[in-house]
Amino acid sequence: AAGVIQSPRHLIKEKRETATLKCYPIPRHDTVYWYQQGPGQDPQFLISFYEKMQSDKGSIPDRFSAQQFSDYHSELNMSSLELGDSALYFCASSSLHLLTDHYGYTFGSGTRLTVV
Amino acid sequence: QKEVEQDPGPLSVPEGAIVSLNCTYSNSAFQYFMWYRQYSRKGPELLMYTYSSGNKEDGRFTAQVDKSSKYISLFIRDSQPSDSATYLCAMSYNNNDMRFGAGTRLTVKP
Repeated sequence: AAGVIQSPRHLIKEKRETATLKCYPIPRHDTVYWYQQGPGQDPQFLISFYEKMQSDKGSIPDRFSAQQFSDYHSELNMSSLELGDSALYFCASSSLHLLTDHYGYTFGSGTRLTVV
Repeated sequence: QKEVEQDPGPLSVPEGAIVSLNCTYSNSAFQYFMWYRQYSRKGPELLMYTYSSGNKEDGRFTAQVDKSSKYISLFIRDSQPSDSATYLCAMSYNNNDMRFGAGTRLTVKP
């Protein structure tokens, strides 16, 4: 079965560099969410998109931006990277209209970003 | 105070034991309650999903939601070593974002 695809799986960047993470949701899912999970921490919600429009914003730094494209894939752009940005970045997708039928969220395997 | 509180453990039980995992929350507007299992270096995997109050059973897993007490539980019967993972509770009121518990690290010893 198709799952949420994230790329790359691992990324190493230097401080002040820029990184772009990609997320391909499950087909027919219209909502994409981005989470940041630091070592030993619970996932923190960053931002979400519904039908290519930003639907909610969490604790996303101003240095980060994201968008959802016409094919529903999403990209998280991170600039002026800091050591503290090292974390696992998860993307999840869902179908807003199918929530009560329980599709819930499906997470990708994550991108591990290491800033050195 | 965090909106969702979950004891991070670690919790260690012998194989075959009944495991009880719990979360409390403060936001009475939460309507959707979920339990995720996360193996090391993997994305969280949805285990159980409950809308509003009540119980839900799926194989060896039972999820309970008590909205009056703002308390949710996940029970694992006949626990197996393969159940060793971190279990995250999560909840949402609007489906635009979720609030996660800290996760409880469970080890089931053979």
